[in-house]
Amino acid sequence: DAGVTQSPTHLIKTRGQQVTLRCSPKSGHDTVSWYQQALGQGPQFIFQYYEEEERQRGNFPDRFSGHQFPNYSSELNVNALLLGDSALYLCASSNSYEQYFGPGTRLTVT
Amino acid sequence: AQSVTQPDIHITVSEGASLELRCNYSYGATPYLFWYVQSPGQGLQLLLKYFSGDTLVQGIKGFEAEFKRSQSSFNLRKPSVHWSDAAEYFCAVVPVMEYGNKLVFGAGTILRVKS
Repeated sequence: DAGVTQSPTHLIKTRGQQVTLRCSPKSGHDTVSWYQQALGQGPQFIFQYYEEEERQRGNFPDRFSGHQFPNYSSELNVNALLLGDSALYLCASSNSYEQYFGPGTRLTVT
Repeated sequence: AQSVTQPDIHITVSEGASLELRCNYSYGATPYLFWYVQSPGQGLQLLLKYFSGDTLVQGIKGFEAEFKRSQSSFNLRKPSVHWSDAAEYFCAVVPVMEYGNKLVFGAGTILRVKS
């Protein structure tokens, strides 16, 4: 049984560009959450998707948007990239209060 | 303000010694409590969780944690540390009074193991 998978592993973008990150949840999980982890910090909650709707949102600007597909996979989109968006982006899936994390996507904005 | 606090940024222990990592939370209602471990450049692995019941919970890799309501704490312990335990440890909570199950993390504690 595959766990949570994320793509790509690493990504380098330029300020002002847009990026899309992808996540496939663990089998049997219907909820996907996204977190941003800046260097040396704990993960910060971006938003959570359940039944293809955004269920919860953290304190992130509208430049951060997402989507969940009928197969429960999810995308995170970030527009107008800033240098401060450089971070490890983690996806987690769940069907209860336990969340299981993917390996993350390392985004570098130059 | 609602928060999760891990007072120790770094901890160094000798291999074979015991370990305790501290975690305190500040929420009106006791949240669901978790400990995760992260190796460098990797995702997070769930070590253990507490929802209710027995206040001493066992997890993977020989870790345990004790919930103390009076102290709003959920400290992680291990009787004998192995070199492979060197990693960053995060305490996290799910606030129970909110819709959804977002995790709120502490800042983390980096564990170094010396031989």
